[in-house]
Amino acid sequence: GESVGLHLPTLSVQEGDNSIINCAYSNSASDYFIWYKQESGKGPQFIIDIRSNMDKRQGQRVTVLLNKTVKHLSLQIAATQPGDSAVYFCAELGWASARQLTFGSGTQLTVLP
Amino acid sequence: NAGVTQTPKFQVLKTGQSMTLQCAQDMNHNSMYWYRQDPGMGLRLIYYSASEGTTDKGEVPNGYNVSRLNKREFSLRLESAAPSQTSVYFCASPRGQTGFDTQYFGPGTRLTVL
Repeated sequence: GESVGLHLPTLSVQEGDNSIINCAYSNSASDYFIWYKQESGKGPQFIIDIRSNMDKRQGQRVTVLLNKTVKHLSLQIAATQPGDSAVYFCAELGWASARQLTFGSGTQLTVLP
Repeated sequence: NAGVTQTPKFQVLKTGQSMTLQCAQDMNHNSMYWYRQDPGMGLRLIYYSASEGTTDKGEVPNGYNVSRLNKREFSLRLESAAPSQTSVYFCASPRGQTGFDTQYFGPGTRLTVL
């Protein structure tokens, strides 16, 4: 079946540094990808998305990169702040399962003072 | 978590008991989803409703039933709870069947089955 995985379960960064969170996906037919942020005790919150016809998309302090050749997705957070501490999930949507997202297991980002 | 509410926030059940998790959204979205989240894992889809009056199975539907009561409300029922159903349950509502960029999640229901 489809799977979305993350390379690292935890990531610690110093406040002010840039963070990079990685994600591998297995379904080459997936054409839409989302990054979510989940703070402790809360539901996931949409951060940024990207379609397969793009390889980069930028938001406010965040950038998502998509490498379809190696089926790899990354989230870059610039000038990481304490409020960025959370679990980050990638999710993919394929045309064969148009109504269903497949989520990765998540990476815990901890911002150190 | 704007626009999606869930009740209860916490629940402890004994094996074999039943309960219904409630979800409501006030965004006038057609679609509503139920996910479960287990420790160290991503969300898995239990059931979804693309529009009022329709429901479809997701990845892990066994042991659950759903009701799309009206456009606002989508409930998830456990008829006979099992310890394997201990999890955090999230309701979500995307803008449409592909509007996941505006998918809002509820705060979650933390369920423990003893």
